[in-house]
Amino acid sequence: GIQVEQSPPDLILQEGANSTLRCNFSDSVNNLQWFHQNPWGQLINLFYIPSGTKQNGRLSATTVATERYSLLYISSSQTTDSGVYFCAVLNDYKLSFGAGTTVTVRA
Amino acid sequence: GAGVSQSPRYKVAKRGQDVALRCDPISGHVSLFWYQQALGQGPEFLTYFQNEAQLDKSGLPSDRFFAERPEGSVSTLKIQRTQQEDSAVYLCASSLERQTEAFFGQGTRLTVV
Repeated sequence: GIQVEQSPPDLILQEGANSTLRCNFSDSVNNLQWFHQNPWGQLINLFYIPSGTKQNGRLSATTVATERYSLLYISSSQTTDSGVYFCAVLNDYKLSFGAGTTVTVRA
Repeated sequence: GAGVSQSPRYKVAKRGQDVALRCDPISGHVSLFWYQQALGQGPEFLTYFQNEAQLDKSGLPSDRFFAERPEGSVSTLKIQRTQQEDSAVYLCASSLERQTEAFFGQGTRLTVV
């Protein structure tokens, strides 16, 4: 199956800082999703992005499918951004997840 | 409904008990998925339905796990004779069609004691 690697595994930020999360995948994919898992376990959809760049408020994502990676940018981080960020790649109907990046934003 | 709904949110089962987890997908979504998430890990695929047809059950860990979606809407994941290693969060997701964006429910946290 497709391998999905996320880095870094853990990230500690001071409120207001910017950061970049990376997702590498081992094979061509139909699509890619970024999720934020909040402290209650809910997976919140952030981006559905097969290629190119999308922006949503302080978050943006870029996927370069030909080079098999995606980046998630968090700007001006807030304490509410804390949680685990997952990248998941879609191959046909199946999503394969990375192990996640745990982000802690300190006030 | 507005989102994917799962029940119960939490379930404690004694080892050997049977459990049933329910998933209500987003109305009109053809595809439905079950995933298992162990503590500190990403979700792992269990099974996939397109309408009422179970097209892939390759991720089910053992024959104690059984899933159904008889009318192409609500789905139930059943685990027979639960074991401690079954303790995990079980996530249900749905999507409009086969290769479209997936939306997840809140999950059911199963603890087997």
